[in-house]
Amino acid sequence: SQQGEEDPQALSIQEGENATMNCSYKTSINNLQWYRQNSGRGLVHLILIRSNEREKHSGRLRVTLDTSKKSSSLLITASRAADTASYFCATAASGSARQLTFGSGTQLTVLP
Amino acid sequence: GAVVSQHPSRVICKSGTSVKIECRSLDFQATTMFWYRQFPKKSLMLMATSNEGSKATYEQGVEKDKFLINHASLTLSTLTVTSAHPEDSSFYICSARRDSNEQYFGPGTRLTVT
Repeated sequence: SQQGEEDPQALSIQEGENATMNCSYKTSINNLQWYRQNSGRGLVHLILIRSNEREKHSGRLRVTLDTSKKSSSLLITASRAADTASYFCATAASGSARQLTFGSGTQLTVLP
Repeated sequence: GAVVSQHPSRVICKSGTSVKIECRSLDFQATTMFWYRQFPKKSLMLMATSNEGSKATYEQGVEKDKFLINHASLTLSTLTVTSAHPEDSSFYICSARRDSNEQYFGPGTRLTVT
């Protein structure tokens, strides 16, 4: 079942600005992942943060995880027009299946 | 990174016919593959978990007789939409799990039922 909610649903910024997207979830997780999807295309894995981690960096991406609040944020610094896409968080439950439950997504538009 | 392919990328079929979508992990063996459905501007909804050599596990509300899943080998899973109807039109995405944490997603298949 869908448990992730993302905020905002849509975000429009100027190139060079930072973009912050938030994700909340409801159940205990093993890890949380962020994905990017260009319109009509498949998903690209961006970053994974484990439940015992609080912050992780990858290039211009910074992800935080607050398990007490059951929330995560994705920060994209110095955004580029090419960052325009939908961004989804996905939580992996504990257990062998490690199914992913996706959030509702944030549509990011970076204006040149 | 690991590569997952889907075929076809787009398919248009007539109502009442069946359509098969293939998902292949090209450079690794995947004991588990997942099938998702995505409506326009919406999130991915997990349909089923496909384990090699065993029956798929379907999510609540997904008709197993309508969405047939076969995971015959460690690199191939197929989803067959039987007796397709216009409401089955959607974007279908598969993923393959290489290790306990990472899933690699296919590029998706756009199904249009006329």
